[in-house]
Amino acid sequence: AQSVTQLGSHVSVSEGALVLLRCNYSSSVPPYLFWYVQYPNQGLQLLLKYTSAATLVKGINGFEAEFKKSETSFHLTKPSAHMSDAAEYFCAVTQKGNTGKLIFGQGTTLQVKP
Amino acid sequence: DSGVTQTPKHLITATGQRVTLRCSPRSGDLSVYWYQQSLDQGLQFLIQYYNGEERAKGNILERFSAQQFPDLHSELNLSSLELGDSALYFCASSVDQGGRAEAFFGQGTRLTVV
Repeated sequence: AQSVTQLGSHVSVSEGALVLLRCNYSSSVPPYLFWYVQYPNQGLQLLLKYTSAATLVKGINGFEAEFKKSETSFHLTKPSAHMSDAAEYFCAVTQKGNTGKLIFGQGTTLQVKP
Repeated sequence: DSGVTQTPKHLITATGQRVTLRCSPRSGDLSVYWYQQSLDQGLQFLIQYYNGEERAKGNILERFSAQQFPDLHSELNLSSLELGDSALYFCASSVDQGGRAEAFFGQGTRLTVV
């Protein structure tokens, strides 16, 4: 069965510092991978997705992620954190096939300190 | 604005009652997904409909049911409610049934069972 593990339920960085949110997946075949962001009292918004094209994926708001098959990882990075990046981030996976059901990690809350 | 509309935004009801959550997908999207978000379980996939037919099922309780109507809107029915059903329920839609297509999320319905 597919699963997603996000290392670190809380990550705190200073404004301007590098953001690194970790995600590892477990899947028997290469999946599709997604990062979503959730701001307080809002729904989930897609940051970026990997669908077997380029392994380095660029998303919105300056975020990017690299798919590493050998490490079964899809870590999210941003060179310089802004206060507005404070939110909860979810890594998710779907499988190739006739359903797009998302399997989510437990989420990582990003705190940005001034 | 994702284009996915969920009503109501908030719902407070008593144990043992039945409620209906409604979702209008983005124009043109044929797939509708329901997810439950709670503090202890995180984001869990409940069920997917594609063009009126059930496509995939997650760990959805027998007390819960859903349907997608000919105009593609969907309803999630929750009955014999228990305190533990209190959660945020999200609807998402995508143009396709498979995992490659991006899912757009509504703002959710916050259900409180008292």
